[in-house]
Amino acid sequence: SQQGEEDPQALSIQEGENATMNCSYKTSINNLQWYRQNSGRGLVHLILIRSNEREKHSGRLRVTLDTSKKSSSLLITASRAADTASYFCATDVIQGAQKLVFGQGTRLTINP
Amino acid sequence: DTGVSQNPRHKITKRGQNVTFRCDPISEHNRLYWYRQTLGQGPEFLTYFQNEAQLEKSRLLSDRFSAERPKGSFSTLEIQRTEQGDSAMYLCASSWRTESTEAFFGQGTRLTVV
Repeated sequence: SQQGEEDPQALSIQEGENATMNCSYKTSINNLQWYRQNSGRGLVHLILIRSNEREKHSGRLRVTLDTSKKSSSLLITASRAADTASYFCATDVIQGAQKLVFGQGTRLTINP
Repeated sequence: DTGVSQNPRHKITKRGQNVTFRCDPISEHNRLYWYRQTLGQGPEFLTYFQNEAQLEKSRLLSDRFSAERPKGSFSTLEIQRTEQGDSAMYLCASSWRTESTEAFFGQGTRLTVV
């Protein structure tokens, strides 16, 4: 079963605008990661935030983590057409095997 | 090292045939994962190895699926007696297992069962 749920499932914005995607999860985690996937390709790691961190930045990416609400958000600032892709959150769960559990993803479209 | 490599990239097979996929992880990585992804969905965990030991198998993995990682290097995923429902993208990933590390994914093998 999927651990994370992304919201919205699809997002379409104009180039230059900011894009925000949310992720909710169910169980305690070691860390939460965001990945990007271009159509028909493999996943590319974007950013990792540990369970004891609240916010992290990487270039135009900003990730927040609220462990009390079991939620995370990914903000992409000043979006570009090349940011068009699907974005997935993945949780590194504490219980059981230490594997990444992915959500359903947000399909982001940047319109030029 | 150029990353995680998967072969073949595409496979079309007739229902009932057996197929085998190969994954070559990043050489120093001790963990290797297999995921399955269908259109519009996120990757679903199938199984993973730490070195040569297979540590967990998902309930999604029926008896028709088997994975190996001899000598803790490359891995193979075999599907016997394929069914149309097996059509999906099969993704392999590897990581160096310490606290909080990212996984590196291959480009995937797209399987179509006709």
